Amino acid sequence: AQTVTQSQPEMSVQEAETVTLSCTYDTSESDYYLFWYKQPPSRQMILVIRQEAYKQQNATENRFSVNFQKAAKSFSLKISDSQLGDAAMYFCAYRSQAGTALIFGKGTTLSVSS
Amino acid sequence: KAGVTQTPRYLIKTRGQQVTLSCSPISGHRSVSWYQQTPGQGLQFLFEYFSETQRNKGNFPGRFSGRQFSNSRSEMNVSTLELGDSALYLCASSLLGTDTDTQYFGPGTRLTVL
Repeated sequence: AQTVTQSQPEMSVQEAETVTLSCTYDTSESDYYLFWYKQPPSRQMILVIRQEAYKQQNATENRFSVNFQKAAKSFSLKISDSQLGDAAMYFCAYRSQAGTALIFGKGTTLSVSS
Repeated sequence: KAGVTQTPRYLIKTRGQQVTLSCSPISGHRSVSWYQQTPGQGLQFLFEYFSETQRNKGNFPGRFSGRQFSNSRSEMNVSTLELGDSALYLCASSLLGTDTDTQYFGPGTRLTVL
């Protein structure tokens, strides 16, 4: 069975600085999808970024980018120029190519200070 | 387009009762998935419906059930409520539920069992 591990329960960053959230996963599959979701205090889950395992190029979305290391089964999220609105819980998630269920990590709470 | 909506947003029930939660997907989306979020277990997949059929199921007891209507709206039911069922229940919709789809989440229903 696939598992997703987020080893940092909490992280903090100053406004305008850069922070990296870690995620590792375990799978025997070669094709799959990885996601980062953000859950602010409102509890609404918002997709931040998505990566297809067959793509070697790291995904980017504005200030958000990932470092996808397939061999190491690592999928970290880098947030550049952090803003107060980035404060939230961030979840790393895995989805098999064959399935529809998302498998989530335990989450990392990110706080941003001014 | 309107996002995923869930009703009610908050519910308080007592042990032994049953509860029904509703989810309306994004217009045109035919796949609806349900997740349970608790502080202890994190986010766990309950089940997925597509074209009125349950296509995928997580590891939850039979007290948890669901259905999907012809307009893609979905309901989940929990019978004989237990204290441990207190959680945030999230619904997510996607176009076809294929591996290339992205799941979009609703705001959730907060269920408290007393």
